[in-house]
Amino acid sequence: EAEVAQSPRYKITEKSQAVAFWCDPISGHATLYWYRQILGQGPELLVQFQDESVVDDSQLPKDRFSAERLKGVDSTLKIQPAELGDSAMYLCASSITGEQPQHFGDGTRLSIL
Amino acid sequence: QKEVEQNSGPLSVPEGAIASLNCTYSDRGSQSFFWYRQYSGKSPELIMSIYSNGDKEDGRFTAQLNKASQYVSLLIRDSQPSDSATYLCAVNYNNDYKLSFGAGTTVTVRA
Repeated sequence: EAEVAQSPRYKITEKSQAVAFWCDPISGHATLYWYRQILGQGPELLVQFQDESVVDDSQLPKDRFSAERLKGVDSTLKIQPAELGDSAMYLCASSITGEQPQHFGDGTRLSIL
Repeated sequence: QKEVEQNSGPLSVPEGAIASLNCTYSDRGSQSFFWYRQYSGKSPELIMSIYSNGDKEDGRFTAQLNKASQYVSLLIRDSQPSDSATYLCAVNYNNDYKLSFGAGTTVTVRA
């Protein structure tokens, strides 16, 4: 079964450093999502792409977070500079269209020291 | 603000029993509803989707949707220890195709 690929699986870094996450969606999935999940809470949408275009980034802290999907396939989420409160699981998901079920990757567990 | 509410649990059930999970949502315009299972430290896994009022069965799982009352539920029949996980309810508001998640209900199946 096709999967959403994410890397790295784990990332430990110090505050003020830059960190980047990568996601490769299921082939043919036009819609890609980045979520942040804090322990004990449900995932919170950070940014949604339709092909290479940002559809929604209203919850993305744009002073430190950026996301891109240049060729409409894989995507990168960056944090610069990282803060202690950014420690969380960062999940990437994709769907054929925005109306269809989303399928999640394994996530990146980020710990900020 | 569009909200999705779930009982946080934990919900403890004996092996072989039925686990019943409930979810309410605030936006009457919601069209699509999903249940995800999340094991500790893992990512959410889609187990059920439901789009119209009534029941939908898939193996030991049954999703129930009542749009008039704005709730969706999940029944797990013949619960197994492997069903021990957090179950996330997610609602898709079709005007913007965003998924809003509840905080999840943690289920523990006692052997």
